Amino acid sequence: AQSVAQPEDQVNVAEGNPLTVKCTYSVSGNPYLFWYVQYPNRGLQFLLKYITGDNLVKGSYGFEAEFNKSQTSFHLKKPSALVSDSALYFCASNTGGFKTIFGAGTRLFVKA
Amino acid sequence: DAGVIQSPRHEVTEMGQEVTLRCKPISGHDYLFWYRQTMMRGLELLIYFNNNVPIDDSGMPEDRFSAKMPNASFSTLKIQPSEPRDSAVYFCASSFSDRAYEQYFGPGTRLTVT
Repeated sequence: AQSVAQPEDQVNVAEGNPLTVKCTYSVSGNPYLFWYVQYPNRGLQFLLKYITGDNLVKGSYGFEAEFNKSQTSFHLKKPSALVSDSALYFCASNTGGFKTIFGAGTRLFVKA
Repeated sequence: DAGVIQSPRHEVTEMGQEVTLRCKPISGHDYLFWYRQTMMRGLELLIYFNNNVPIDDSGMPEDRFSAKMPNASFSTLKIQPSEPRDSAVYFCASSFSDRAYEQYFGPGTRLTVT
């Protein structure tokens, strides 16, 4: 069965420091992987995707993610965190179809 | 582009009442998804449509839930009768068929059933 795991409920980082939000996946076949962000009282916003090609993908707001097939991971990263990055982040996957599975979410707090 | 529009933004109702949530997808998108978000269960896909036709409703929790898409610009999710455990945030999302993984979410409807 397809699943996505986000092992951390919360990540705390100081402004200006690099941030990483972790995600691991379990899918049969080639995974399509995504990151979404949710700000308070808002819907989810698409950040970036991995379909094929380069393992390092770049997305909106300076975020990037690294696909690692051997570790079945797709961690979200940003070199320098901003207070405005504080939000709920969701990792998601599907196998190219239309049924996307979302992780439980990781709350990111960036302290000034 | 106005994005995905949902109404109402907040709904408070008593147990046993009928609740109707509404969604207007982004113009030109041919896929529409309904999700439910709770603290306990996270984000769950309830049902999705392609070209107004329901494709997979396996996530609909029970017969009290129903969804329709009478045309390309409007969808409803109905709960009848509502129960307190239905309290959640309900999201509508839409996408193009060739990029169904890139879904655009509405702001959600926060439903409280007392």
